Amino acid sequence: QKEVEQDPGPLSVPEGAIVSLNCTYSNSAFQYFMWYRQYSRKGPELLMYTYSSGNKEDGRFTAQVDKSSKYISLFIRDSQPSDSATYLCAMRDDMEYGNKLVFGAGTILRVKS
Amino acid sequence: NAGVTQTPKFQVLKTGQSMTLQCAQDMNHNSMYWYRQDPGMGLRLIYYSASEGTTDKGEVPNGYNVSRLNKREFSLRLESAAPSQTSVYFCASYSYEQYFGPGTRLTVT
Repeated sequence: QKEVEQDPGPLSVPEGAIVSLNCTYSNSAFQYFMWYRQYSRKGPELLMYTYSSGNKEDGRFTAQVDKSSKYISLFIRDSQPSDSATYLCAMRDDMEYGNKLVFGAGTILRVKS
Repeated sequence: NAGVTQTPKFQVLKTGQSMTLQCAQDMNHNSMYWYRQDPGMGLRLIYYSASEGTTDKGEVPNGYNVSRLNKREFSLRLESAAPSQTSVYFCASYSYEQYFGPGTRLTVT
């Protein structure tokens, strides 16, 4: 079993829909949770960063962490065709030497206009 | 401010050939990383360098070597390329978040 599980999709939604992307993990020591967005043929870029449990909102994006369930989510409101990309979750623990991240496989999102 | 740069962008090798992928960052970060990305596999860590002068194996180090030349540069070497090393390779550096380069698309025939 992988340390971080993420449904690869693809997830196809109409423009304006609310998108929910999720990851589950097995290591209870993870404290830092990130979502990266990767456009086709580009490097990943950080979208959201959360420490420990709770919610964080940034414009149309909301990241949620539920450490009791070992489950993280990214919500995208009013989705746009420009949101079409691969979304990767990533996480690490406080004491990880070298600040190494563990990534999910990534979910392909397609927003249709 | 270029961030993380990688060369080359594309490369085709024959089985058994060798090559070095170059990475440089201009953000004065201590930690640097090499990943490979394959369909459905996400990003898998090959090697990393927590600070200048140190290198450590990641999840999939076999067939690769690295050199942390100085604080800015971290290179990845394939000594004898194999078709299984066909992938997209990303370099990253770290300070509160990982910043990624644009990637190198490598095909081994």
